[in-house]
Amino acid sequence: EPEVTQTPSHQVTQMGQEVILRCVPISNHLYFYWYRQILGQKVEFLVSFYNNEISEKSEIFDDQFSVERPDGSNFTLKIRSTKLEDSAMYFCASSGRGGYTFGSGTRLTVV
Amino acid sequence: AQKVTQAQTEISVVEKEDVTLDCVYETRDTTYYLFWYKQPPSGELVFLIRRNSFDEQNEISGRYSWNFQKSTSSFNFTITASQVVDSAVYFCALRGGSGGSNYKLTFGKGTLLTVNP
Repeated sequence: EPEVTQTPSHQVTQMGQEVILRCVPISNHLYFYWYRQILGQKVEFLVSFYNNEISEKSEIFDDQFSVERPDGSNFTLKIRSTKLEDSAMYFCASSGRGGYTFGSGTRLTVV
Repeated sequence: AQKVTQAQTEISVVEKEDVTLDCVYETRDTTYYLFWYKQPPSGELVFLIRRNSFDEQNEISGRYSWNFQKSTSSFNFTITASQVVDSAVYFCALRGGSGGSNYKLTFGKGTLLTVNP
């Protein structure tokens, strides 16, 4: 069964550093997403991406965040200057006719 | 605006008991999709079911069953004869179907299910 692949599974970074989270969506899906889950809380939508541009973003997705599809397979989330409160699980997802699939997540810890 | 409410924060049962997890949703869309996901301690989101708003038939998959009632805007999930491996956080989610590119999921806060031996 097709999967959404996220790397790395865990990342520890120092406050103020830039971090890039990577995702490979399912190949025939056209819509891509990032979600965030702070420990013990619900999963929150960050951004959706379609046709090489952001289609919707939440109030969480401020100027510190950016997304990119640098080639035909990868979809990345960049946090420019990480803060302690960015510590969370970040999920990538993609959707198409076949469904809505999440990756296994990247646990980001900012110290 | 879309909203999903899972009023049960935590449920604890003994193995082999049946348990129902409640989900109530709000949406103005006439077409929408409802999902349930399981999140085990390892953290990934495991897809359980997707149901569209035009299909109100209840569904059964092994020990799992889902009761969709548009009249009460509810999409409840029942585990029959629960097992320890069912222990996890369960999330209900809603996706609008109004077209365009807005396909984000709105999640409830989740219900932590603990099944004790």
